[in-house]
Amino acid sequence: QKEVEQNSGPLSVPEGAIASLNCTYSDRGSQSFFWYRQYSGKSPELIMSIYSNGDKEDGRFTAQLNKASQYVSLLIRDSQPSDSATYLCAVNGGYSTLTFGKGTMLLVSP
Amino acid sequence: EPEVTQTPSHQVTQMGQEVILRCVPISNHLYFYWYRQILGQKVEFLVSFYNNEISEKSEIFDDQFSVERPDGSNFTLKIRSTKLEDSAMYFCASSPSSGGSDTQYFGPGTRLTVL
Repeated sequence: QKEVEQNSGPLSVPEGAIASLNCTYSDRGSQSFFWYRQYSGKSPELIMSIYSNGDKEDGRFTAQLNKASQYVSLLIRDSQPSDSATYLCAVNGGYSTLTFGKGTMLLVSP
Repeated sequence: EPEVTQTPSHQVTQMGQEVILRCVPISNHLYFYWYRQILGQKVEFLVSFYNNEISEKSEIFDDQFSVERPDGSNFTLKIRSTKLEDSAMYFCASSPSSGGSDTQYFGPGTRLTVL
């Protein structure tokens, strides 16, 4: 059974700090990796996708992928209170389904 | 920017009743999905749909569930005889082409409450 694991948190950081969110997955055949942000009571909103080993940067966000270690991370630089949300790691094994982790709650204090 | 829309935003029903949840995917997308999220739990895949047929379904998607694309724009999820445990947020998603690597864009969700 495919599993995606995340620390549920909450991860608390002060405004302006770097927040580091981590995710591990069980299926070595996984090909696509996504980070979604979910505010309470709302739907998942895509932040980033990553498909190959290494880093991918988009504004304040950097996704990192290490397929050998089956590990994906998301760094948020200059964290803002509006970044406070639950961050969902999702993995696609090459078919059409996304397997989600339970999410890590991030709290950014002013 | 195009987005996935869902109606209704909240549906309350009695146990044993049938409900239909509606979605309008992004217009040029070819793959459609339903996910659900029970309160406090993770988002779970239900079913994917391509070329007017189911391409994958999970163990959750049993005989009480069905999906349909009745016209060129709508995508529906029907739950035939609702149970208390069907209470959840139901999200529709769509992706442009091959579901394997393409990003799935989620609608705002329908909150289903079964009494």
